[in-house]
Order: sequence, then structure tokens, then C-alpha cells
Amino acid sequence: GAGVSQSPRYKVAKRGQDVALRCDPISGHVSLFWYQQALGQGPEFLTYFQNEAQLDKSGLPSDRFFAERPEGSVSTLKIQRTQQEDSAVYLCASSLWNQPQHFGDGTRLSIL
Amino acid sequence: RKEVEQDPGPFNVPEGATVAFNCTYSNSASQSFFWYRQDCRKEPKLLMSVYSSGNEDGRFTAQLNRASQYISLLIRDSKLSDSATYLCVVNIPFYSGSARQLTFGSGTQLTVLP
Repeated sequence: GAGVSQSPRYKVAKRGQDVALRCDPISGHVSLFWYQQALGQGPEFLTYFQNEAQLDKSGLPSDRFFAERPEGSVSTLKIQRTQQEDSAVYLCASSLWNQPQHFGDGTRLSIL
Repeated sequence: RKEVEQDPGPFNVPEGATVAFNCTYSNSASQSFFWYRQDCRKEPKLLMSVYSSGNEDGRFTAQLNRASQYISLLIRDSKLSDSATYLCVVNIPFYSGSARQLTFGSGTQLTVLP
């Protein structure tokens, strides 16, 4: 498809486990963003890539969160030693330079 | 204080009604403004950008007041399919090394009733 693709769609993990969430942006989009959306809230910014460079990670809530985009296309958001407060929907968005962002369906993460 | 604040809602209106949503933002450096729509368990989708002169797209009208740092969305002749959460969104200018991330309000839930 032509849209932003995220996987898995749903992820259930036990507290303390590590998880990895994948984002496949729209082809050619240089900008890639990760957001976290808690229930009943709007998405909140986590981190931003321009091609393979992570230019801003100021939104990452702790050092347990790590993101990468090694070849400037697919990105992975990793959460180590998950906690219950990490339960949320993780949204990925991509855009051409300075253009509106297009969002993926998100990964619903539940930490038990 | 949140950077983007919206009416808490929910709004329950009959089909055909006119409904207005309001939003305020705190960062005076914000330059781009949007309304996004988010259906239940779906991703946010861009509804419309908001321009200083105000803009209209069919039944939807968006207004921006920079002096008051206030944004509005008006929906006329509401349809059942308009039921969704409407997110007010701003972003700050891009500077080298900083992110052009979007800052979202918490959203206002709209239910249009038959």
C-alpha cells in the first residue's frame, strides 16, 4: 500500500520485557516521527528523524526508549524493561519536507 | 498548562446541526495550524489546515486569531459520518536541529445523532 505501515498492530507484553515496534514510512518521505497516544489524549511527540539522522529525541520519556532509522527508511522504536505506564498507542508519521504528516494505524501496546 | 487546549466535550448533536469547536495555544511562535480527525481506534487524519484569513472546505470552516492565539472549527449541516474526535494541532517553525513535530490538543469528541 501507499500509506505508512506499522507492525505489529497489537502487542501484549509482560512488565519488564523488551518490545520493538516497526514503522515503514511512505516511500520517499524524509521526515519520520514517533508519537505516543494515551487513552483519551492527543498524540504526544516522542522523536523525529530526517533521513537516518535522529534530530530530536526530546520527547522520549526515559532512557528505556530508543529509536533508530539506520538506512533512512524503516524505523524501529524499542522500549526496554517495559512498565505499565508504557501502555499506549504508538503512532508513526512520515512526511515530505515541510509537508503535512501522514500517520500509520499505530501499534497498541499493552503491558501486563 | 497544556500547550494546546480544547473544549473537553463530548458534543452530542442532532443530524443537520451546526457545531463549533474552539482551541487555544500557548506558544506564540506557532506558525502552522491544523484540524485533524480521529475515528475510534484509527489514526489521526488531516481534516484541514487553518490559515490566518480563515478557510472553508465544504461544510467545514476554520478560523485563526493569532492575537488571541485561538483556533476554531465550524461544522455545518452535520452528518452521522462526522462523528469522530477532532484534534486541534499546531507546530512551531522549523529551526536547524529542531523537530517540526506536531503538538496536539486532547481532542473533542463529537457524536452526531440520527
